[in-house]
Amino acid sequence: AQSVSQHNHHVILSEAASLELGCNYSYGGTVNLFWYVQYPGQHLQLLLKYFSGDPLVKGIKGFEAEFIKSKFSFNLRKPSVQWSDTAEYFCAVNEGSGYALNFGKGTSLLVTP
Amino acid sequence: DAGVTQSPTHLIKTRGQQVTLRCSPKSGHDTVSWYQQALGQGPQFIFQYYEEEERQRGNFPDRFSGHQFPNYSSELNVNALLLGDSALYLCASSSGLAGWSSHEQYFGPGTRLTVT
Repeated sequence: AQSVSQHNHHVILSEAASLELGCNYSYGGTVNLFWYVQYPGQHLQLLLKYFSGDPLVKGIKGFEAEFIKSKFSFNLRKPSVQWSDTAEYFCAVNEGSGYALNFGKGTSLLVTP
Repeated sequence: DAGVTQSPTHLIKTRGQQVTLRCSPKSGHDTVSWYQQALGQGPQFIFQYYEEEERQRGNFPDRFSGHQFPNYSSELNVNALLLGDSALYLCASSSGLAGWSSHEQYFGPGTRLTVT
């Protein structure tokens, strides 16, 4: 079955540590890729997106993600996390021919001071 | 610029009852998608409405139905509620125009439905 996998369900980091959250998908055709973030008590917000072109995309708040087509991956990175990055992070994939977003189960990130 | 709004915020229903959830899209958007998010899971796509028609549907039973109005707002109806329908129901809006913007969805705060 087609799916989106996020490798880490819970991540705990100290402030200033580097972050990498994994995301793999199993769709074979053209895909559009997204990372969404949900801060405590807030709704889902778009962090960054990839449609085509440069596989390294930059988003808000210093986040970036790299699309590696051969690995079916779209990992999220941030060089130095802050306490305010504590949130739930969701990877989502849209098959180019459809309209649905297919989400992973999410990764809960806790950044400690 | 008004974002996506949903009502009500919380709802408690009894098994077997019917429920209607409402969504108003972000200003300038004409497409509405509905998602179900169970506890500890990512959102799951229910369906999408564009030009008052269901454009795509996910793997949900016919108990889940929807409607889009001429002003682009939308309703999600769930009949014969089951305990397993307890979840956060999210509405997302986007632009229905062709191209990349049609895939970029903006989410509302959700409606928390509890079925007892």
